[in-house]
Amino acid sequence: DTGVSQDPRHKITKRGQNVTFRCDPISEHNRLYWYRQTLGQGPEFLTYFQNEAQLEKSRLLSDRFSAERPKGSFSTLEIQRTEQGDSAMYLCASSARTGYEQFFGPGTRLTVL
Amino acid sequence: AQSVTQLGSHVSVSEGALVLLRCNYSSSVPPYLFWYVQYPNQGLQLLLKYTSAATLVKGINGFEAEFKKSETSFHLTKPSAHMSDAAEYFCAVSTNTDKLIFGTGTRLQVFP
Repeated sequence: DTGVSQDPRHKITKRGQNVTFRCDPISEHNRLYWYRQTLGQGPEFLTYFQNEAQLEKSRLLSDRFSAERPKGSFSTLEIQRTEQGDSAMYLCASSARTGYEQFFGPGTRLTVL
Repeated sequence: AQSVTQLGSHVSVSEGALVLLRCNYSSSVPPYLFWYVQYPNQGLQLLLKYTSAATLVKGINGFEAEFKKSETSFHLTKPSAHMSDAAEYFCAVSTNTDKLIFGTGTRLQVFP
């Protein structure tokens, strides 16, 4: 069990650029979640996959955001035309089919200049 | 709709003193409740969870929490604080789709 991994750990980009983050869940976990955390706040839910199906998206996930999990394993989160307000820590978590315990990765810290 | 309120954004204790971090929840269905800890620039680590079994839940690192339905509370305690406990602590409630709703967090400082 290598845990949830995220890549990159840090990303600095200029406003208007596109960025993509990757999350590799724990291998036997079929549920995968994305959260966003801004300074001084708790994580906020963005979206959720069960296998390759995206089952729920938050209103926080504007049209500039898209997430995929093409083979039910790793997932990507893309932000198009980044804005300064997108600066945050993006956290990925996974869980098994049964049970409600989510395991979090180390996060990707995005800074939009 | 579920929500979580964490009372006190900062808590300071002396090493060896009791730690009490407060969490109140709101849920229209029987809740699943969690406490997570976050160290600087890291992800979240699960301390403990309540899933409708025993109301007193023991977690890692000597932490425990008690589910009190009448008070809609799930406060986190530790009898004796260590310097290594200094971190941000988040209480969370799970919805029926398993997504977590987090509180705003409590930063714990431990003084020698």
